[in-house]
Amino acid sequence: EPEVTQTPSHQVTQMGQEVILRCVPISNHLYFYWYRQILGQKVEFLVSFYNNEISEKSEIFDDQFSVERPDGSNFTLKIRSTKLEDSAMYFCASLREGNTGELFFGEGSRLTVL
Amino acid sequence: QKEVEQNSGPLSVPEGAIASLNCTYSDRGSQSFFWYRQYSGKSPELIMSIYSNGDKEDGRFTAQLNKASQYVSLLIRDSQPSDSATYLCAVKTGGFKTIFGAGTRLFVKA
Repeated sequence: EPEVTQTPSHQVTQMGQEVILRCVPISNHLYFYWYRQILGQKVEFLVSFYNNEISEKSEIFDDQFSVERPDGSNFTLKIRSTKLEDSAMYFCASLREGNTGELFFGEGSRLTVL
Repeated sequence: QKEVEQNSGPLSVPEGAIASLNCTYSDRGSQSFFWYRQYSGKSPELIMSIYSNGDKEDGRFTAQLNKASQYVSLLIRDSQPSDSATYLCAVKTGGFKTIFGAGTRLFVKA
């Protein structure tokens, strides 16, 4: 069964460092998402991406964040200068065009900022 | 601010009982509603979607939607210990995003 894959599964970084989280969405899906979940808190929407551009973003997704689809398969989330409060699980999700919204999630990348 | 509200629980039911989970949402224009299950340390997994008023059944799960009351519920019949998880209510807003409630923790006692 096709699935969304994410790497790395866990990354530890120092405050102020840049981090890139990678995702390979399901191959025939056209909408891509990043969500984050701080430990013990809700799953929060960060950004949606369609047709090679951001379609919607939340107030969390400030200038420190960026997304890119550098080739036909990868979808990346970059955090330019990490803060302690960026420590969270980051989930990539994808959605098939025409689908009424059923998101398929990857296993997540746990980011720990020290 | 569009919101999805759930009782955080924990909700504890004995094995074999019916578990009832509830959710309200604020955006009256929402059209798509989902229940996800999330085990500790894992990603959300879709278990039900519902788009029109009424009930939708899938195995032991029944989702109920009342758009006039802005209310979604999930019933789990014959609850099993393996159903112990956090259940997330999610609502797709008019744009591109789906927003999640904080989840209800369910414990099924053997």
